[in-house]
Amino acid sequence: NAGVTQTPKFRVLKTGQSMTLLCAQDMNHEYMYWYRQDPGMGLRLIHYSVGEGTTAKGEVPDGYNVSRLKKQNFLLGLESAAPSQTSVYFCASSYLTGGGYTFGSGTRLTVV
Amino acid sequence: EDQVTQSPEALRLQEGESSSLNCSYTVSGLRGLFWYRQDPGKGPEFLFTLYSAGEEKEKERLKATLTKKESFLHITAPKPEDSATYLCAVQAERDSGYSTLTFGKGTMLLVSP
Repeated sequence: NAGVTQTPKFRVLKTGQSMTLLCAQDMNHEYMYWYRQDPGMGLRLIHYSVGEGTTAKGEVPDGYNVSRLKKQNFLLGLESAAPSQTSVYFCASSYLTGGGYTFGSGTRLTVV
Repeated sequence: EDQVTQSPEALRLQEGESSSLNCSYTVSGLRGLFWYRQDPGKGPEFLFTLYSAGEEKEKERLKATLTKKESFLHITAPKPEDSATYLCAVQAERDSGYSTLTFGKGTMLLVSP
């Protein structure tokens, strides 16, 4: 019973490089979310999805893209990484709108 | 715009010293208020959902309460293993039918033996 799995757990990028963060859930949840967490800023929503093939912008979407080709997976892409994107990224999923989210363990990303 | 303010930012307690964490919120219509626990280096872990003023929920040494403007997380006789950051989040009612959670910045709790 894995819940929400995020890969990778750690990554260091150089400015301008691209990468994709993968989130996988095995709970058959319809809704999935990507948050970033920064000291003093709390959790901020980047993008979310209400079902396979759908995506929507959250509070801080600039510089990120997402895709939900399969119900169980939600990918977060950085096309050209910037130091301001240094953060801890959390993926979450839920059954219902606002039902308790289940979070992954996070990806710590450093952009140098 | 939905807003969530948590206080204090940090709280240090002695083992057995009960206290409360506060979550004040501003939302056009509350669909639900959520409490999470986050340990260092881990993702937030769901604790409670409260839906209406007057509602209370308990789990071990934790008790969450809700009014129309704020929620409290009461910690009774805390133990060192209760040390964590506690996050509060709200979900608003929307005419479109869907809204995501808005989180506060959290209260970092440290319980000393």
